[in-house]
Amino acid sequence: KQEVTQIPAALSVPEGENLVLNCSFTDSAIYNLQWFRQDPGKGLTSLLLIQSSQREQTSGRLNASLDKSSGRSTLYIAASQPGDSATYLCAVFTSGTYKYIFGTGTRLKVLA
Amino acid sequence: GAGVSQSPSNKVTEKGKDVELRCDPISGHTALYWYRQSLGQGLEFLIYFQGNSAPDKSGLPSDRFSAERTGGSVSTLTIQRTQQEDSAVYLCASSLGFGRDQPQHFGDGTRLSIL
Repeated sequence: KQEVTQIPAALSVPEGENLVLNCSFTDSAIYNLQWFRQDPGKGLTSLLLIQSSQREQTSGRLNASLDKSSGRSTLYIAASQPGDSATYLCAVFTSGTYKYIFGTGTRLKVLA
Repeated sequence: GAGVSQSPSNKVTEKGKDVELRCDPISGHTALYWYRQSLGQGLEFLIYFQGNSAPDKSGLPSDRFSAERTGGSVSTLTIQRTQQEDSAVYLCASSLGFGRDQPQHFGDGTRLSIL
């Protein structure tokens, strides 16, 4: 059974810092991995999707890496801004299933 | 109106009543997904549609839950004989297809409260 864990559960940093969010999963037979952002009272915004054959994806100040064999992904946020404050979720789509399994998220607060 | 639309945005109902939640995906998106986000339990995948077909319904929490999609567009999630544990935010997402490079686009959800 696929299990997804995110560390840390919460993070508070001053503006301008570079930071790393971690996601680990127990079953390496994955189809893809997505990182999402969720603002309070809102749905999810897809940030980056990494296919199983890829090792990283970049979008602006965001970079996500995937090490499928070790069951890990990281989301790197460069030069953090107060507008980055949100909950960040990773989700794994395991091969042979039709289910996305989500981690419990990292609540990020960037202080001005 | 180019995003995923869900209605109602909020629903309060009494225990034992039936409720119907609606999702309008982005036009042209063939894949549609339902999730449930409960306080303290994170985000739970319920069901996925490719066109009008749902290949795997095992993610639905109980037989009180059902979902359908018609015309490859609108989907409804129906909960019969609601229980207090059904209280949650129900999120719908759609994607252009079901492939390796197709990100999901989410609606803002329906907040369901069972009294």
